[in-house]
Amino acid sequence: EDQVTQSPEALRLQEGESSSLNCSYTVSGLRGLFWYRQDPGKGPEFLFTLYSAGEEKEKERLKATLTKKESFLHITAPKPEDSATYLCAVRGYGGSQGNLIFGKGTKLSVKP
Amino acid sequence: DAGVIQSPRHEVTEMGQEVTLRCKPISGHNSLFWYRQTMMRGLELLIYFNNNVPIDDSGMPEDRFSAKMPNASFSTLKIQPSEPRDSAVYFCASHIYTLSGGSSYNEQFFGPGTRLTVL
Repeated sequence: EDQVTQSPEALRLQEGESSSLNCSYTVSGLRGLFWYRQDPGKGPEFLFTLYSAGEEKEKERLKATLTKKESFLHITAPKPEDSATYLCAVRGYGGSQGNLIFGKGTKLSVKP
Repeated sequence: DAGVIQSPRHEVTEMGQEVTLRCKPISGHNSLFWYRQTMMRGLELLIYFNNNVPIDDSGMPEDRFSAKMPNASFSTLKIQPSEPRDSAVYFCASHIYTLSGGSSYNEQFFGPGTRLTVL
């Protein structure tokens, strides 16, 4: 069964304090790993898609990396506006086309 | 484009009442998804349509839940009768999927959600 586990559940950082969020997954053939950002009261907002081990993608202060078992979302010198819940999801070959399996998320708080 | 549109944004109803949630996907997208989000279970897929046809409804919790997509620009999720345990945020998402080098189009775009409270 495809499964996604995110850690930590919550992370508190000071502004400028870099850190990483972890997404561990088990999937029957990875078709894609997705990172989303969700602000309170809003729907998830797409950030990145990674397809193969070794792949990296960057967007402003965020950098996503992928191995065969996990993905990391690195946050460099975060700002208070980076505070949100970050969701990881996978799509595997075993599931229905387009079916994403989501983790429960990491709630990030960045204090000024 | 206005993105995925959902209505209502908030719904409060009493146990036993019928609830209908509505979704307008992004124009041109060929797949539509209904999700439910709770603190305990996170984001769960309920049902998925491709080209207006239901493909996978294995996530629909029970027969009280039904979903339709009569055309490419509209879908409904209905709960009848509603129960307090149905209280959650319901999201609709749409997606365009292509096989030919379409990796950049595989992301799903979510609506703002409907917060449902069943008393």
